[in-house]
Amino acid sequence: GAGVSQSPRYKVTKRGQDVTLRCDPISSHATLYWYQQALGQGPEFLTYFNYEAQPDKSGLPSDRFSAERPEGSISTLTIQRTEQRDSAMYRCASSLGVGTSQETQYFGPGTRLLVL
Amino acid sequence: GQSLEQPSEVTAVEGAIVQINCTYQTSGFYGLSWYQQHDGGAPTFLSYNALDGLEETGRFSSFLSRSDSYGYLLLQELQMKDSASYFCAVLKKGYGQNFVFGPGTRLSVLP
Repeated sequence: GAGVSQSPRYKVTKRGQDVTLRCDPISSHATLYWYQQALGQGPEFLTYFNYEAQPDKSGLPSDRFSAERPEGSISTLTIQRTEQRDSAMYRCASSLGVGTSQETQYFGPGTRLLVL
Repeated sequence: GQSLEQPSEVTAVEGAIVQINCTYQTSGFYGLSWYQQHDGGAPTFLSYNALDGLEETGRFSSFLSRSDSYGYLLLQELQMKDSASYFCAVLKKGYGQNFVFGPGTRLSVLP
């Protein structure tokens, strides 16, 4: 696609419910990142994928958080048994290559999650 | 762990030059990136310093000094549209592609 897209853009849920957020990266991009961004703060790393492999998920706050990218393109972030503290903007980003070079990341518009 | 520090706010007038500093406490990283984020928008890439020194891209320049654990973003000929938050970010060695972003500096450009 022309850019990174995310859905839904807004999600309101009740505490205890599960939510799944979707990211559609730029089609040629091998690497996909998930970040959590609180208002007025910088993005905080959650996890990333190189194609379908998930080398690092150390940033996931708890085992209620999980992410998948089964075919190396679209990715989902699932939060089980949501808690109010999970309320935040969740951003996806993608970059072209794989490895340790600090390539440009292209961010999606984010999903604003509100847990009541 | 590691942390990045930035001033929380900077204010300047149109046409001026402003420098946004980023200091870090980490050893072993691949370089320093800068991202711009307007209110309600997504972060967008501005520049990357792989090596020490100055990188220039139009009105924006970025500088890195590993020996001083310090970098900065320099914005020249400020325009109202430059009002945004600016984040520095590093990719720490040995941690794959686990990026660390700074807390951000909110730049307000006044007429």
